[in-house]
Amino acid sequence: GAGVSQTPSNKVTEKGKYVELRCDPISGHTALYWYRQSLGQGPEFLIYFQGTGAADDSGLPNDRFFAVRPEGSVSTLKIQRTERGDSAVYLCASSLGSSYNEQFFGPGTRLTVL
Amino acid sequence: QKEVEQDPGPLSVPEGAIVSLNCTYSNSAFQYFMWYRQYSRKGPELLMYTYSSGNKEDGRFTAQVDKSSKYISLFIRDSQPSDSATYLCAPINTGNQFYFGTGTSLTVIP
Repeated sequence: GAGVSQTPSNKVTEKGKYVELRCDPISGHTALYWYRQSLGQGPEFLIYFQGTGAADDSGLPNDRFFAVRPEGSVSTLKIQRTERGDSAVYLCASSLGSSYNEQFFGPGTRLTVL
Repeated sequence: QKEVEQDPGPLSVPEGAIVSLNCTYSNSAFQYFMWYRQYSRKGPELLMYTYSSGNKEDGRFTAQVDKSSKYISLFIRDSQPSDSATYLCAPINTGNQFYFGTGTSLTVIP
């Protein structure tokens, strides 16, 4: 059975550019989460989807960050006008439901902004 | 104050040692507590979870929660080199939002 997959595994971009990061959750998982993990830190919550809708986007740092999940499965995290401070590993996780369920993590996308 | 505080280490122990990893949290609304293990350049994977105060054992691993003092611990007995990883504590709220600690980096030396 396939786990959570994320593409690309690595992304190098220049300051000011736009990037998209993709997450394929485990089939049947209705909840999907995005986290950002900086070096030496734990994952930091960004946004949570239940189905197609963003149930909680309180962790998005500013309006340059946006995420969608149009069909309730694959999700894309979009970052506009990237800054060097956006460099981090972006982790996606999915779970069966929305309360006290194990979150299964993907391997992450390592974003480097030059 | 951060929601979760965790000593980042690094922690280095000889093979066979007992390891104690600890976190404190500030939000008394947290009800579930998870421990994740993260190997280098991988996503976190669930190790154990607990709900009530007390101990929960799974093989060489024991998770302990003290809700009165908002203190959670993970003990590893007979540590092995394969246990070398970063260990993340994660209390969660009713919305399944995880509040991860910074992680403790553990190295078990053969």
